Amino acid sequence: GQQVMQIPQYQHVQEGEDFTTYCNSSTTLSNIQWYKQRPGGHPVFLIQLVKSGEVKKQKRLTFQFGEAKKNSSLHITATQTTDVGTYFCAGEGGTSYGKLTFGQGTILTVHP
Amino acid sequence: DVKVTQSSRYLVKRTGEKVFLECVQDMDHENMFWYRQDPGLGLRLIYFSYDVKMKEKGDIPEGYSVSREKKERFSLILESASTNQTSMYLCASSSWTGWLGTEAFFGQGTRLTVV
Repeated sequence: GQQVMQIPQYQHVQEGEDFTTYCNSSTTLSNIQWYKQRPGGHPVFLIQLVKSGEVKKQKRLTFQFGEAKKNSSLHITATQTTDVGTYFCAGEGGTSYGKLTFGQGTILTVHP
Repeated sequence: DVKVTQSSRYLVKRTGEKVFLECVQDMDHENMFWYRQDPGLGLRLIYFSYDVKMKEKGDIPEGYSVSREKKERFSLILESASTNQTSMYLCASSSWTGWLGTEAFFGQGTRLTVV
C-alpha cells in the first residue's frame, strides 16, 4: 500500500532559525496536504498542494510539491515560539480516492 | 463551523471487552476516517469510508471493524479489546470534489486505555 515517510522525526531550533520538514511517498500522489498539531490538540489543516512543482506560501511558511508528485516540503522562516507542534504531511493517491495517508510527523521545538 | 464530534474524550476498558467509538460530523462529508496516534508513529489509518455502508481497510485494520449506516456517523469497533490497542483514536471527515478530497477536519480524539 501507499507509504508516506517524513523526516526528521524531531527538530530543535533556536527562535529565529529556519526549519524544514520533508515528506516522501512510495507512490505518485494526486495531492498532498499539510497539518499542524499543537501539544494536546488535534491536527489542523494548513494547506493542500495539487499541481506538479507547486509552491505556496503562507506568511513565513513555504510549501512545495515535487515535480514527480512524490515528495513535498514545508519550510518555516525565522521560527517563533508559536510554531511549536507536530507537522504532518498527508498524501492522497493511488487507486483509493479520498483516502489520506499521513507521515510520521516532525515534532518542532523552538527555544526562546 | 465544521464539527467532528467523538463520543468520549477518555475511556478505560478491560481486556476482552467490545468497545465502540462513535464519531459524528455535521458537514455532510462523504469521507470519514479513523486513525490511531502513537508516539513516534504518527497517524496510522485504521479504516476509511467514502460513502454510506462503504469502507476500505487502512494500514492497521487488524482487531478493528467499522460501521457507517448513516452519512454523518462512523463507528469504530474493537471486537475484543487488548492492551496493545491502548492509544489515542482520532476521527476525521472530508469532502470529495469528484477528483480529490478536501481538507480533513478532526475530532478532539478519544484516549482509550485497555487494562
